[in-house]
Amino acid sequence: QQQVKQSPQSLIVQKGGISIINCAYENTAFDYFPWYQQFPGKGPALLIAIRPDVSEKKEGRFTISFNKSAKQFSLHIMDSQPGDSATYFCAASIGGGSEKLVFGKGTKLTVNP
Amino acid sequence: GAGVSQTPSNKVTEKGKYVELRCDPISGHTALYWYRQSLGQGPEFLIYFQGTGAADDSGLPNDRFFAVRPEGSVSTLKIQRTERGDSAVYLCASSSIAGANTGELFFGEGSRLTVL
Repeated sequence: QQQVKQSPQSLIVQKGGISIINCAYENTAFDYFPWYQQFPGKGPALLIAIRPDVSEKKEGRFTISFNKSAKQFSLHIMDSQPGDSATYFCAASIGGGSEKLVFGKGTKLTVNP
Repeated sequence: GAGVSQTPSNKVTEKGKYVELRCDPISGHTALYWYRQSLGQGPEFLIYFQGTGAADDSGLPNDRFFAVRPEGSVSTLKIQRTERGDSAVYLCASSSIAGANTGELFFGEGSRLTVL
């Protein structure tokens, strides 16, 4: 049973455009929702994270929108750049920390110049 | 080193052999994690150490998999009687503790295991 469903599987965006990746979860006990970015041959790296007491968090060009009632959260990348081309994973955990993250299957983002 | 170090970066073995994968966490990080990432998938949790003890090993798929962290720093993931389905990238991560929660995971580049 996949606990965190991520879509789309792949995404192609033009430079300067907005990239949007969506995730949905079923377990209402989840209370920590990070996004990780992974380049080929590298380990994932934390991009931004949110807890369910807020509906939105912004860091630079990256924004997480969180809808607790719909059990959905999304990553928005504004002014997408070719250097943003990577695979993005949403994740969720219980207990507010990173002890046992459940990851989505990932979205491969390509930003064309 | 500044980051999480994993060795070997690549390991090719034959079905039925024993394999050890090593992880050197960031200095001072008390929490250490092992994840497994199959091709085209997200990382899958295996085990989490807090200090020397395994705080949660519920992700280990079966008793062929075992991990240790005897001195609370370096960890070794051990796989006995390897099977072709064990082929994956094994990721190690570490984190510090902030209050009641573990913080950001810092991942290594992984050990790619191929079982022929």
